[in-house]
Amino acid sequence: SQTIHQWPATLVQPVGSPLSLECTVEGTSNPNLYWYRQAAGRGLQLLFYSVGIGQISSEVPQNLSASRPQDRQFILSSKKLLLSDSGFYLCAWSGSSQPQHFGDGTRLSIL
Amino acid sequence: GENVEQHPSTLSVQEGDSAVIKCTYSDSASNYFPWYKQELGKRPQLIIDIRSNVGEKKDQRIAVTLNKTAKHFSLHITETQPEDSAVYFCAASKGAGNQFYFGTGTSLTVIP
Repeated sequence: SQTIHQWPATLVQPVGSPLSLECTVEGTSNPNLYWYRQAAGRGLQLLFYSVGIGQISSEVPQNLSASRPQDRQFILSSKKLLLSDSGFYLCAWSGSSQPQHFGDGTRLSIL
Repeated sequence: GENVEQHPSTLSVQEGDSAVIKCTYSDSASNYFPWYKQELGKRPQLIIDIRSNVGEKKDQRIAVTLNKTAKHFSLHITETQPEDSAVYFCAASKGAGNQFYFGTGTSLTVIP
C-alpha cells in the first residue's frame, strides 16, 4: 500500500533562517505531489504542485520554493523565513485514479 | 480557474441529528469531488468521494450528492455523534494530473 512520510513533525525557527521540509511517498510511482499551508483555524492554501521530476507549479508568489529531485521526493525550502511563514505545512500525493492523501504535517513556528 | 465555495463555515447540531454541508463549484470540467475530515491538529483524511458520472454515494452514515447541472454537491451526515466533530473540507478536481481546489472548510460541532 502507499504511504506518505513528512518530517519534521514540529519545527521552531528564527526569522531569517533557512527552511527545508521533506516529503516522500512509498508504494507508488510518478505521483502528483502537493505542498499546502494551513494557518490556524483556516483553510488549505496550495503552495506548489508537481506532476513529475523537475516539474513544479507555483500557486502563490512568496519566499518559498519547491523541488522534486526524485520521483517520490518533494522538498519545500526557503532561504529566509518570515514571521508570516508560520503555519501547518501539509504534503499530499495523488495517483492517476485519485484521490489526494495527506501526510501528517509539519507545524512550523517562526520566532 | 476553478472556484469552490463552501457553506456554512460553522455548524452545530445535537447528537443524533443530521448535518448537511454544501459546496458549489464554477468549472463544469471538474469531475471528481472528495470530502475530507480534519480533526484538530491532524491531517485531513478522505471520508467519501464522488465522480461526475454518479449522482449519489453512501457509506454508512455519510452520503454525498452531486448536481452537475447546478454545479453543487453536498455532504450529509446522519445520526451525528460527538466524534463527528471536526472541520470538513470539500474539493473539486478535473482529474489526474490536475490540482485540487478546496473549499474554505466547515467546523462541525456535535453537542452531546
